[in-house]
Amino acid sequence: EAGVTQFPSHSVIEKGQTVTLRCDPISGHDNLYWYRRVMGKEIKFLLHFVKESKQDESGMPNNRFLAERTGGTYSTLKVQPAELEDSGVYFCASSRQLSSTDTQYFGPGTRLTVL
Amino acid sequence: KQEVTQIPAALSVPEGENLVLNCSFTDSAIYNLQWFRQDPGKGLTSLLLIQSSQREQTSGRLNASLDKSSGRSTLYIAASQPGDSATYLCAALSGYSTLTFGKGTMLLVSP
Repeated sequence: EAGVTQFPSHSVIEKGQTVTLRCDPISGHDNLYWYRRVMGKEIKFLLHFVKESKQDESGMPNNRFLAERTGGTYSTLKVQPAELEDSGVYFCASSRQLSSTDTQYFGPGTRLTVL
Repeated sequence: KQEVTQIPAALSVPEGENLVLNCSFTDSAIYNLQWFRQDPGKGLTSLLLIQSSQREQTSGRLNASLDKSSGRSTLYIAASQPGDSATYLCAALSGYSTLTFGKGTMLLVSP
């Protein structure tokens, strides 16, 4: 079974530009999550999809961030326009169910650097 | 708001030592407590998941305990090996979807 994949692995952009991150969850996993780790801080939750619906987007920092999951398969996270403080590692995770026994499987992350 | 703290931030031990990593959380209303491992440039790998009704879980040389009432969890690694070198992350699950992470403990096991 293929794991969670993320693309690109690294992205370097200038302030004000737009970047789109992609996540492909494990096949059959309805739940998809985005997390972010900025330098020196802990990994923080951004949002959660159940299929194509946003279940919880309480962690999204501001309206420069837009997440989509059309068709309930892969997801994209767009940052527009990017700011310096957006630099960090963006992780995607997926899980089959919402339960106390079901772990979230994480991708390798996308390292975003905003100059 | 849940907060998770991990102590120590970094740990260096010689091969063969037994060690304990500590995790504390502020809100005891959790569904489970998970320990992850992260290798440099890689994603997170789930090591152990302890449900809120459980006290401990074991996998090979790893043993994780959970004390919900005191808001603490420990990860015990027996007979450490250089391959155990990684960052270990503790995360508490609240609301069935939101994992709250600690900053991690960076472990170095020297041969």
